[in-house]
Order: sequence, then C-alpha cells, then structure tokens
Amino acid sequence: DVKVTQSSRYLVKRTGEKVFLECVQDMDHENMFWYRQDPGLGLRLIYFSYDVKMKEKGDIPEGYSVSREKKERFSLILESASTNQTSMYLCASSTTSSGTITYEQYFGPGTRLTVT
Amino acid sequence: AQSVTQLGSHVSVSEGALVLLRCNYSSSVPPYLFWYVQYPNQGLQLLLKYTTGATLVKGINGFEAEFKKSETSFHLTKPSAHMSDAAEYFCAVSEFNTFYFGSGTKLNVKP
Repeated sequence: DVKVTQSSRYLVKRTGEKVFLECVQDMDHENMFWYRQDPGLGLRLIYFSYDVKMKEKGDIPEGYSVSREKKERFSLILESASTNQTSMYLCASSTTSSGTITYEQYFGPGTRLTVT
Repeated sequence: AQSVTQLGSHVSVSEGALVLLRCNYSSSVPPYLFWYVQYPNQGLQLLLKYTTGATLVKGINGFEAEFKKSETSFHLTKPSAHMSDAAEYFCAVSEFNTFYFGSGTKLNVKP
C-alpha cells in the first residue's frame, strides 16, 4: 500500500512564525503536491513537484514556498504565518504514465494548522 | 483548462436509500476519472477510478460509477446507503498531467 505521511496532524502557530510542513511518501512517486482545503472552497493546489529540486506554482502559491531535496520528501514552508493561512493542508503523491497522464493521487492524513 | 462540476454541495438520503452523487467534466478528450471520499479530519481516500475499458467501474464499500462520454459525466452511485457512508465525496479528473478536483459533495445519511 502506498503510504503518504505528514509530520503533524494538528499544529498551532503564532502570526509571523516560520512554519514547516513535511510530507513523505514511500512509493517512489515522481509527483508530489500540496493542497489547502477550506470549507466551501474544496481543494486548492498550492505547489507541486515533478522531480527532485523541481517545483511549479499551483493556483494559490502566495505566502508559501516548497522544497524537494529528496524524491520521497516534499516540504511546504510558510515564511511568515498569517491568520488567513489557518486551514487543513493535504499532501499527495502520484506517478505518471508515459509522461502524459497522471494516475490517481494518494493523500496523506492532513495537517490542521491554526495560526493565532 | 478542465473544469469539474459536482451538482449539490450537500445531499441527504435515508439509510437504505439509493445514493447518487453527480459529477460532470468539461473536457472533450476522455480523461482519467476518479472519486475520492473524505471522512472528518482525514485525508482523501480513493473510492474508484476509470482509465480505459469498461465504462461501469466498481469501487470499495459498494460504490460504483459510470463513465458516459456523450454526457461528459461520471456519477457515483450506491444502491443502499449506510450510516458509515456519511462523508464528503470529491470527483477528480486527470488530463495532460494535471489533476482537477470538484468542489465536493457532503453526504448525510439519516437513520
């Protein structure tokens, strides 16, 4: 079974703090993704990565950065946390067929971040 | 760009009744199609997927979905709802190495 783990299930941080959310997958997947999920807004893509050291902006990258130094690990960084970044953060990974179609995404359990 | 529409943000059914959750997508090119389920405070779990072949796809927990190309739809059904089916359901489409999610439908199951 594919396993995607996230470093914390619940996190409380103060405004202005630097926050690191870690995600690790054990299936040698090329692709990794960070989403945030808010009531009524569904899943919104923050950043994704197709390979080590590669990153692409998603729909809402402002206020976030990412790091992928190893294939299995994808980190989301909030440079200076703000209250409007209080949300559920979901990490996912997937593999790609023939470089064109992405198979299903496998999700971690999520991190519920509260910024006070 | 692809768009995925889930009709009804909230659906309520009685236990034992038919579950029907609707999903339509915009692409003219047959994509890969998925349904995910999310229980409270958990990540998304894959229910079923359509890639190629048979258009009626069976998934876990008694759910199934039918790909209808002419209607660009991929509706999710279950003949008899169970209390444990109460969750949020997301339809998703994969096309050209990009994933698109619908906005989700919360299913409530009444005793």
